[in-house]
Order: sequence, then structure tokens, then C-alpha cells
Amino acid sequence: DAGVTQSPTHLIKTRGQQVTLRCSPISGHKSVSWYQQVLGQGPQFIFQYYEKEERGRGNFPDRFSARQFPNYSSELNVNALLLGDSALYLCASSPRGGVNYEQYFGPGTRLTVT
Amino acid sequence: RKEVEQDPGPFNVPEGATVAFNCTYSNSASQSFFWYRQDCRKEPKLLMSVYSSGNEDGRFTAQLNRASQYISLLIRDSKLSDSATYLCVVNVGGNKLVFGAGTILRVKS
Repeated sequence: DAGVTQSPTHLIKTRGQQVTLRCSPISGHKSVSWYQQVLGQGPQFIFQYYEKEERGRGNFPDRFSARQFPNYSSELNVNALLLGDSALYLCASSPRGGVNYEQYFGPGTRLTVT
Repeated sequence: RKEVEQDPGPFNVPEGATVAFNCTYSNSASQSFFWYRQDCRKEPKLLMSVYSSGNEDGRFTAQLNRASQYISLLIRDSKLSDSATYLCVVNVGGNKLVFGAGTILRVKS
């Protein structure tokens, strides 16, 4: 079975632009979480979605938004990009809601903001 | 105080050595705990969950100390392939997982 897939792999954007990142969970998994990982730090939780509803939110500004589709894939949107948004964005899927279960991570999207 | 804290290392150990990492957490109501492993420029992968009774998986043993609010990971008979960053992860409530910054392990031949 395919693992978690994310697209694109790499992305370069300019300050002020908007970006959309995409994630497809493992087949049968209904929960998707998004994380931001800056070099030298652990992943920081952004959102969790389960059955198309937001179930958790981290300490990120409103410029960050996400949604989950009926097929359980997900998009993360970031508006008005700042240089500090440059990071690896990781998507993780889990078979059930909540965060007490193993998270399976995708390879990530590396975003560079110039 | 950070929600989850780890010694960043690096821990440089010879093959065959035993090495232990600790991770402290600030929220006494935290319910679930994990150790993930992350190789350079790769995604994190679950190493093991940490149960109240502790758990062991081959050369790896994880323990939880709720009174002192820390979890530990012990690796016995270290292999070169164990070289990685080890991330401590805590469910702090509200469906929110907090990752530590990671501890770097380098196993040398």
C-alpha cells in the first residue's frame, strides 16, 4: 500500500504570496495532521482534521488554514507568506481521530520563501 | 518552561554501547507519549509508544515516570544504523501533539 503522499516536494515562493500544499493519507486513514518543521527543531503541530472536521489547532496565525475533503485528502493554505514560513511542512495520517495513535508521516514539502 | 524538553546532544557513542535519553514534559495531565526517530532530511517514524508500565522492543526500552514528569529511551548494543535524531512526543491535550527538538545520536565504529 502507498504511504502518505505530499505534493509538491519543493516550492519556492516570494514574500506576500499564497501557497497550497496537498496531502493524501494512507488508504483507510481518516485523520490528517499538519506540522511545520524548521531546521534544528522538532515538528510543530498546526492542525488536525478527522472526518472532514478540524479537531485540533496549534499556535499558528490565521494566515494558516486547512481543509479535508470527502476522500480524506487535505490541503494546507498559507497566505501572505513571510520569510519565517520557510520550513518543511509535514503531513501525517492516522487511522482514527485524536492523537493517541501512531502518526504516519509523509516525506514533506520543503517551502522556501524569498 | 517548554512543554517538552530534550537534551539536544549530540551523544557520540561506540558501537555496542548502551545509551539513554530523557525527555521532560510540563503538563502533568499529559496522557500519551511516544518516541519517534528522524533520519537526516527524512520524515519522522514511530519508534515506540510509551506506556505507564514501560515497554520494550528488542534493544529499545521506554519508561514513563509520571511523578517526575519524564520519559526515557534506552538503547542497548548500539548499531551504526541507530544514528539519527530521536524525538520525544507528548499529547498535551486538546488533540495536540508536542514534539521535542530532538536528541542527536551518533554511533561510531
